[in-house]
Amino acid sequence: GAVVSQHPSRVICKSGTSVKIECRSLDFQATTMFWYRQFPKKSLMLMATSNEGSKATYEQGVEKDKFLINHASLTLSTLTVTSAHPEDSSFYICSARGQGTSGISTDTQYFGPGTRLTVL
Amino acid sequence: QKEVEQDPGPLSVPEGAIVSLNCTYSNSAFQYFMWYRQYSRKGPELLMYTYSSGNKEDGRFTAQVDKSSKYISLFIRDSQPSDSATYLCAFLTGGGNKLTFGTGTQLKVEL
Repeated sequence: GAVVSQHPSRVICKSGTSVKIECRSLDFQATTMFWYRQFPKKSLMLMATSNEGSKATYEQGVEKDKFLINHASLTLSTLTVTSAHPEDSSFYICSARGQGTSGISTDTQYFGPGTRLTVL
Repeated sequence: QKEVEQDPGPLSVPEGAIVSLNCTYSNSAFQYFMWYRQYSRKGPELLMYTYSSGNKEDGRFTAQVDKSSKYISLFIRDSQPSDSATYLCAFLTGGGNKLTFGTGTQLKVEL
């Protein structure tokens, strides 16, 4: 149990284009989903927290107009990087927090496999 | 003082060794303690989760929490090359939403 998927796993795009990353909880419902960014050999940096049906809460310094988050259902959240630039190249990871389904902890996060974004 | 301190390593051990990974923390409000394993270019995988002082065992892994000393450990017995990864400690306050991570310890288990 507690499987989170991300799609795509890798994307290369041209500067100025927008990229959408999907995060799905496959076998549980997630009250809250999180988006992280990770630079090489660094720990995870939380970008935003989203709850189903409401606006995301962004961490300080994260541009909400650049990183659009939509949490349309209890199993799906999307991150759209708008007008991507080379400095947005990074490893983006989502996580989901369970809703109390049997066997799934509600006090921790389950992570997706990550999406590597390269902006040329 | 940082909220969480974790030695980044790298830590290199021979196959079969017992590995000890540690984190110290300063926030008394942390009530949930986790260890994640992250392979290169992959998302973190939850290994151990506990909310009380003492030991919790799962196969070759043992998580230890000492709330009085604000210290948590992860022990790996009979380490294997497949255990080579970065290990992240993570903490959550009661009622909180955001995980606080250590910087991660890079472990290499050599044949």
